[in-house]
Amino acid sequence: DQQVKQNSPSLSVQEGRISILNCDYTNSMFDYFLWYKKYPAEGPTFLISISSIKDKNEDGRFTVFLNKSAKHLSLHIVPSQPGDSAVYFCAAYTGTASKLTFGTGTRLQVTL
Amino acid sequence: GAGVSQSPSNKVTEKGKDVELRCDPISGHTALYWYRQSLGQGLEFLIYFQGNSAPDKSGLPSDRFSAERTGGSVSTLTIQRTQQEDSAVYLCASSSSLKTRYEQYFGPGTRLTVT
Repeated sequence: DQQVKQNSPSLSVQEGRISILNCDYTNSMFDYFLWYKKYPAEGPTFLISISSIKDKNEDGRFTVFLNKSAKHLSLHIVPSQPGDSAVYFCAAYTGTASKLTFGTGTRLQVTL
Repeated sequence: GAGVSQSPSNKVTEKGKDVELRCDPISGHTALYWYRQSLGQGLEFLIYFQGNSAPDKSGLPSDRFSAERTGGSVSTLTIQRTQQEDSAVYLCASSSSLKTRYEQYFGPGTRLTVT
């Protein structure tokens, strides 16, 4: 039973445009949602998080939106840069369990 | 400052052998986590340590898997009698206070290949 789903395995975006990565979840008990970025042969790097009581969090070029009624979150990257090309994982956290539950990732390619 | 480190970075072992994977968390981080990523999959939780105790071992896939943490710092994940399905990247993460435990910082991983 996959509690966190990323239905798009890949996304290609032109440099300078907006990248939108999507994530759906099923467990309404999640307290926080996070996005991680992963380059090949490296561990995931924490990007941005959002509390379940918020609907938006912004950090520079990265903004995460949370729609609790739809159990959906998205990561917006604007403007996209070639260095953003990586696999992006959505993750969710419950304080009671202390663990992160990850989606399967979306590979973003930013083209020139 | 230094991030999470893991060793070895790569390990190739024969089926049936035991392996030990090591994790050095960020200094001062009290919580430590092990995850693994199999080919084409997301990260799968294995075990969580708070200090030296493991309140949640629910992700360990079988009794061939065990982990310990000593001195509130270094952790070792041991896989006994390895099987081919154990081949994966094993990732360690750590986090600081209870308040920001959800922000977990990952090491580079150990790629385990069982032949």
